[in-house]
Amino acid sequence: NAGVTQTPKFQVLKTGQSMTLQCAQDMNHNSMYWYRQDPGMGLRLIYYSASEGTTDKGEVPNGYNVSRLNKREFSLRLESAAPSQTSVYFCASSERESYGAHGYTFGSGTRLTVV
Amino acid sequence: RKEVEQDPGPFNVPEGATVAFNCTYSNSASQSFFWYRQDCRKEPKLLMSVYSSGNEDGRFTAQLNRASQYISLLIRDSKLSDSATYLCVVKIGGSYIPTFGRGTSLIVHP
Repeated sequence: NAGVTQTPKFQVLKTGQSMTLQCAQDMNHNSMYWYRQDPGMGLRLIYYSASEGTTDKGEVPNGYNVSRLNKREFSLRLESAAPSQTSVYFCASSERESYGAHGYTFGSGTRLTVV
Repeated sequence: RKEVEQDPGPFNVPEGATVAFNCTYSNSASQSFFWYRQDCRKEPKLLMSVYSSGNEDGRFTAQLNRASQYISLLIRDSKLSDSATYLCVVKIGGSYIPTFGRGTSLIVHP
């Protein structure tokens, strides 16, 4: 099992350019998430998708859009990149549950630099 | 008050030492608890879930104290390879959104 696959691993953008970060999971998980991680800030939730067909804003959604293409894939789009979006982006997935101790599986991350 | 708080450290310990981290959470409706490990420039990976009765996995022991609203991670006989950042994760029952602490940095030296 590949788990959660993110592409690309590295990207440099110029201010104002757009790009889409791709994420796919092969664990048949219902829920998927996009996080950004900055030094000293920890992981911050950008958007999440509780199940196929639904998406919701997280803590820091401004400047981003998402698409839950199907159960496997959840993409993150930057329409007009800004230097403040320089960060490491992680996609994660989990089973849908109300209780229990299921964890979250992360992709290996995308290191994005906006110049 | 932050929802999930951790001492950022770093905790600098010699090989073989025992080290403990605490993580406090503010929402009493929290029902699921985890410890994750994150190596430098890598993704977070699940280390262990934390159960009400406490649980152990080799050198690692996790405890939950609901009354005082904290979870702990104890690492015995520290190895150089244990050097990483340890993230506390808390989830409210019925919610899809986990809350991550900012992590505690552990450095194990020879």
